[in-house]
Amino acid sequence: AQKITQTQPGMFVQEKEAVTLDCTYDTSDPSYGLFWYKQPSSGEMIFLIYQGSYDQQNATEGRYSLNFQKARKSANLVISASQLGDSAMYFCAMRTRDSNYQLIWGAGTKLIIKP
Amino acid sequence: ETGVTQTPRHLVMGMTNKKSLKCEQHLGHNAMYWYKQSAKKPLELMFVYSLEERVENNSVPSRFSPECPNSSHLFLHLHTLQPEDSALYLCASSQSGQLNTEAFFGQGTRLTVV
Repeated sequence: AQKITQTQPGMFVQEKEAVTLDCTYDTSDPSYGLFWYKQPSSGEMIFLIYQGSYDQQNATEGRYSLNFQKARKSANLVISASQLGDSAMYFCAMRTRDSNYQLIWGAGTKLIIKP
Repeated sequence: ETGVTQTPRHLVMGMTNKKSLKCEQHLGHNAMYWYKQSAKKPLELMFVYSLEERVENNSVPSRFSPECPNSSHLFLHLHTLQPEDSALYLCASSQSGQLNTEAFFGQGTRLTVV
């Protein structure tokens, strides 16, 4: 079965601290892509970062980095120097050939940044 | 205009009404999607259109009827909905058949069925 698990329903973090959002995935397909999206209260899903299963290095995009541990099947999102505007829902998703290239979504983590 | 645009942003409808949600993308993508997002549940994929043909229908009730007249436009026709259909409906687009392509989303339509 293909599945994304996000075990943290909610998190509170002090502004300017780093935060790690957990994501584990399950697939038997050796080729897959992993994505993180941010959803503010306005509703729009905003793409943050992508990691391919064959990528040798962890992906980074500005303050976002992906801690990819293939053997443990984890793809945690790290946000450095958190800002108040980072408060949102965060979703981990996976795309595989076996899923017919459709995104498989986790339940999300609600992140609240405290001033 | 760029990106994915959804209209309306908010919709309140009675159970006997007929309404339509509209989605438009100007990104040159060849696949479009409807998702349903209910509170405290993962996103549910409803329909997928690739090259204007419906390629996936995840057991969605017939009171939801999609239409894709061309690669840039996607509609979701609603009729005789139930209160449990109240949710955020998100449209997305991407290039089909690629693992590394991100999906771009509209801002969603927040639907309330009364």
